[in-house]
Amino acid sequence: NAGVTQTPKFRVLKTGQSMTLLCAQDMNHEYMYWYRQDPGMGLRLIHYSVGEGTTAKGEVPDGYNVSRLKKQNFLLGLESAAPSQTSVYFCASSYDRDNEQFFGPGTRLTVL
Amino acid sequence: QQQVKQSPQSLIVQKGGISIINCAYENTAFDYFPWYQQFPGKGPALLIAIRPDVSEKKEGRFTISFNKSAKQFSLHIMDSQPGDSATYFCAASWRSYKLSFGAGTTVTVRA
Repeated sequence: NAGVTQTPKFRVLKTGQSMTLLCAQDMNHEYMYWYRQDPGMGLRLIHYSVGEGTTAKGEVPDGYNVSRLKKQNFLLGLESAAPSQTSVYFCASSYDRDNEQFFGPGTRLTVL
Repeated sequence: QQQVKQSPQSLIVQKGGISIINCAYENTAFDYFPWYQQFPGKGPALLIAIRPDVSEKKEGRFTISFNKSAKQFSLHIMDSQPGDSATYFCAASWRSYKLSFGAGTTVTVRA
């Protein structure tokens, strides 16, 4: 089992560009999450999904969109990147709302 | 604002010493309190977690102490080893999803 994987590992964007981060899990988990990690802020929940075809806003959703078309994949989109979105992005998944969240290795995004 | 406040921001401990990290929360609906360990360049990994029906949970050298009335919980790392050098995050949530994380504590264990 690969667990939770994220693509790409690193990316540099210019302000206004768009991109999509891909998260995949092979554990048949229902719940999936996107977090961003910034120095001194810990991890903050951006969006989450409680099952295929569902999405919901987390703590810091502005400027991001998500989709969960397949159970194993959770996509995070930035339509018009801003320097404030420079961060490390982590995807996580869990079997349900009462079980451990497993995190991916992260994507380091820099917006110039 | 952060729903979980974590301190200290960093600490240095000698090998064999005890590391103590403290967290405080406000939301009384929280019923799940995990600690995550993160090494540089890696994602966080669950270390140990507690629910408010117990005041202490121990797994190996790691212990969570929980004080429901004070809305505080702490992580104790006994007999700290160089391999424990990492960033530790406390978190809290209702059930186990929509975690609210603390800001993190960087622990350095000197040999």
